[in-house]
Amino acid sequence: EAGVTQFPSHSVIEKGQTVTLRCDPISGHDNLYWYRRVMGKEIKFLLHFVKESKQDESGMPNNRFLAERTGGTYSTLKVQPAELEDSGVYFCASSQEASSETQYFGPGTRLLVL
Amino acid sequence: AQTVTQSQPEMSVQEAETVTLSCTYDTSESDYYLFWYKQPPSRQMILVIRQEAYKQQNATENRFSVNFQKAAKSFSLKISDSQLGDAAMYFCASSGGATNKLIFGTGTLLAVQP
Repeated sequence: EAGVTQFPSHSVIEKGQTVTLRCDPISGHDNLYWYRRVMGKEIKFLLHFVKESKQDESGMPNNRFLAERTGGTYSTLKVQPAELEDSGVYFCASSQEASSETQYFGPGTRLLVL
Repeated sequence: AQTVTQSQPEMSVQEAETVTLSCTYDTSESDYYLFWYKQPPSRQMILVIRQEAYKQQNATENRFSVNFQKAAKSFSLKISDSQLGDAAMYFCASSGGATNKLIFGTGTLLAVQP
């Protein structure tokens, strides 16, 4: 069974540009989460999808971040326009059920905004 | 609000020895779960062990075990017979509530000396 995959693995962009990160969850997992780790700090929750619906987006830092999950399969996280403080590692995780289920993580996308 | 604290930024252990990583947490949830995740240098974060808060018995997975002290809100990880492959960043996390989002500590970087 394939695990959670993320693309790209690395992205280097300039301030003001747009970047789109993609996450493919484990097949059959309805729950998809985005997290990020900024500058060696703790990993923080961004948002949670159940199928194509946003269940909780309380962790999204501002309106420069837009997450979608059309069709309830893969998800994209777009940052537009990117700022220096957006640099970090963006993780995606998925689980079959929300309550009590272990979340399986992807390898992350390392974003550097110059 | 839920918080997770890891007070040891770095730890070191000799191969074949035992090491304990500390974690304390705070949560208002009555039903919650605790996790230790490991992130080796290759970046894929994997689950090491999980503990359901309603279970009194400490979870064990081969060489990994936890000391769960619910009243003290403590959840330490013991690694026995440490191996070189155990070298990684270890994150303690809690989850609970409707979305089951994970709240992470800042991580402990474990080095294993041959």
